[in-house]
Amino acid sequence: DADVTQTPRNRITKTGKRIMLECSQTKGHDRMYWYRQDPGLGLRLIYYSFDVKDINKGEISDGYSVSRQAQAKFSLSLESAIPNQTALYFCATSDSYAGTSGAKQFFGPGTRLTVL
Amino acid sequence: RKEVEQDPGPFNVPEGATVAFNCTYSNSASQSFFWYRQDCRKEPKLLMSVYSSGNEDGRFTAQLNRASQYISLLIRDSKLSDSATYLCVVNMRDSSYKLIFGSGTRLLVRP
Repeated sequence: DADVTQTPRNRITKTGKRIMLECSQTKGHDRMYWYRQDPGLGLRLIYYSFDVKDINKGEISDGYSVSRQAQAKFSLSLESAIPNQTALYFCATSDSYAGTSGAKQFFGPGTRLTVL
Repeated sequence: RKEVEQDPGPFNVPEGATVAFNCTYSNSASQSFFWYRQDCRKEPKLLMSVYSSGNEDGRFTAQLNRASQYISLLIRDSKLSDSATYLCVVNMRDSSYKLIFGSGTRLLVRP
């Protein structure tokens, strides 16, 4: 079974709808991240969480919110989806207790979101 | 200027060829460096870390030049299965463990 899972894998929605993307991990890592990927732009960080009580904005947090329900779960919400939020979304985890290896991140399979 | 810059390619090479990718980063406070591999429509996967002294993993060799702020990846004896996008990734010298991703270099290995 995959260590980092994301649901749904694909979603088509309409402008103005509320959408939640979910991420779960069995790696036991404390840190979790949400990214979006657009063609030619690489991955950009939306939000990150170092533990259940710690949530931080990334470089492109506007229009998004997150919830860290448990160490293993990190959800991303689009309160009112708009077409320019059409992208591939990835969840990732890392282990702060891994010393210098703690910077390594492990990614889920991604959610392809289309906003019409 | 992007914090991490890569030639987008594509690099189109025959099987068995040696190919090299370079990447430059703008922030001298960068601390850790990685190469990730991403197949089409799939998640990025860690290929290898990049160490100051250079490091090798099978057919893959990574080099870091801190003075010039660039990182390289050399692939020897290219296989068809090496076709993918290679992402250069840096981590800042702080406690955030945020990674900064390049937009990737695409490699196509042809028979």
